[in-house]
Amino acid sequence: ETGVTQTPRHLVMGMTNKKSLKCEQHLGHNAMYWYKQSAKKPLELMFVYSLEERVENNSVPSRFSPECPNSSHLFLHLHTLQPEDSALYLCASSQDPRRSGYTFGSGTRLTVV
Amino acid sequence: GESVGLHLPTLSVQEGDNSIINCAYSNSASDYFIWYKQESGKGPQFIIDIRSNMDKRQGQRVTVLLNKTVKHLSLQIAATQPGDSAVYFCAEENQAGTALIFGKGTTLSVSS
Repeated sequence: ETGVTQTPRHLVMGMTNKKSLKCEQHLGHNAMYWYKQSAKKPLELMFVYSLEERVENNSVPSRFSPECPNSSHLFLHLHTLQPEDSALYLCASSQDPRRSGYTFGSGTRLTVV
Repeated sequence: GESVGLHLPTLSVQEGDNSIINCAYSNSASDYFIWYKQESGKGPQFIIDIRSNMDKRQGQRVTVLLNKTVKHLSLQIAATQPGDSAVYFCAEENQAGTALIFGKGTTLSVSS
């Protein structure tokens, strides 16, 4: 256990479903991130939150909607996804958005059918 | 665009050998670089980091070298063990300094 917990670990959803991914950290970090990891591709930055404010939206389609209600929790709301959105979604946190290592969760393996 | 790349997608070594994993980065303004290890079914795990004012940093069995002239980063693993088998990623700051961007990864396979 790294201190960053993601649920669920696995998720299968239809293209018309709505689901949410959850991330929780109890490390006292101030920044949280969503990354997408597809096979044979680098980790793709999706969203960055610093002190609960979104500081980066890396051209992510609107079918992905992040929410950061407090510094310990981060959600990724999903709706009307496409099969190409199937991937491992990783959450990370850090003490500072700059110049500090990230602690990653184990990810949610998402399959869109 | 911003990119962090790795020279080789796979590396196979014998147990006990030293391993060297290379990475070429593109953001010459980056002040911070990190190596991560990702085992199957897990998220990336921090290994070692280095700031741009250093050329070399050592940890336990690992050394990171930074060559800013040619924008090259390497990870050296001494006496590689089967437990070192994983995918290794280098990462650097993005242009905005708001997050890390990652390379494609090198899969290290260690045989006994």
